[in-house]
Amino acid sequence: LAKTTQPISMDSYEGQEVNITCSHNNIATNDYITWYQQFPSQGPRFIIQGYKTKVTNEVASLFIPADRKSSTLSLPRVSLSDTAVYYCLVGAPQYSTLTFGKGTMLLVSP
Amino acid sequence: DSGVTQTPKHLITATGQRVTLRCSPRSGDLSVYWYQQSLDQGLQFLIQYYNGEERAKGNILERFSAQQFPDLHSELNLSSLELGDSALYFCASRRADGNTGELFFGEGSRLTVL
Repeated sequence: LAKTTQPISMDSYEGQEVNITCSHNNIATNDYITWYQQFPSQGPRFIIQGYKTKVTNEVASLFIPADRKSSTLSLPRVSLSDTAVYYCLVGAPQYSTLTFGKGTMLLVSP
Repeated sequence: DSGVTQTPKHLITATGQRVTLRCSPRSGDLSVYWYQQSLDQGLQFLIQYYNGEERAKGNILERFSAQQFPDLHSELNLSSLELGDSALYFCASRRADGNTGELFFGEGSRLTVL
């Protein structure tokens, strides 16, 4: 499984756009990039998944450059309720022994 | 609500004891995953079952075992408990259709070993 590297923590203010970058230099051809969000004492929740270029859904966008060695989760206009840990996972979906790293703790302040 | 049900939500027990955690996956999901989350270790993959068969093993101790039953619910058995086993144990499920990595997690079972 490709190893991922994310910042340990990030701070932001309400209404700002937050970009969290994940490095995955040894990503394999069949690997997808998936992001999860976890609130304290709750199970992680799927945010978005992509393979290349850009993916957008109702809560976030995922930008993946051509070499796929990194990816950026973009959260538009964050609110206090976006304070959570965000995990970047890389792997082939059908072989999902998905490994969660330590994630990025995002703190949104008023 | 993810559709994944875990029981019990909280469990307090003593060292040396044995406990069983139960998970009911989302309707139609064939794959069940167990994860352990402690304060200093993050979210650790333990084991995966697919349609009753063990598919993958992670950092699961020999004192721990799991199984998936014909009705697809799963149980995680933890024995000879130690203080360090205190953690949140999550169950997750997915349909395993090969085209998505999305896991649906339950709310977890918080185990406290005294």
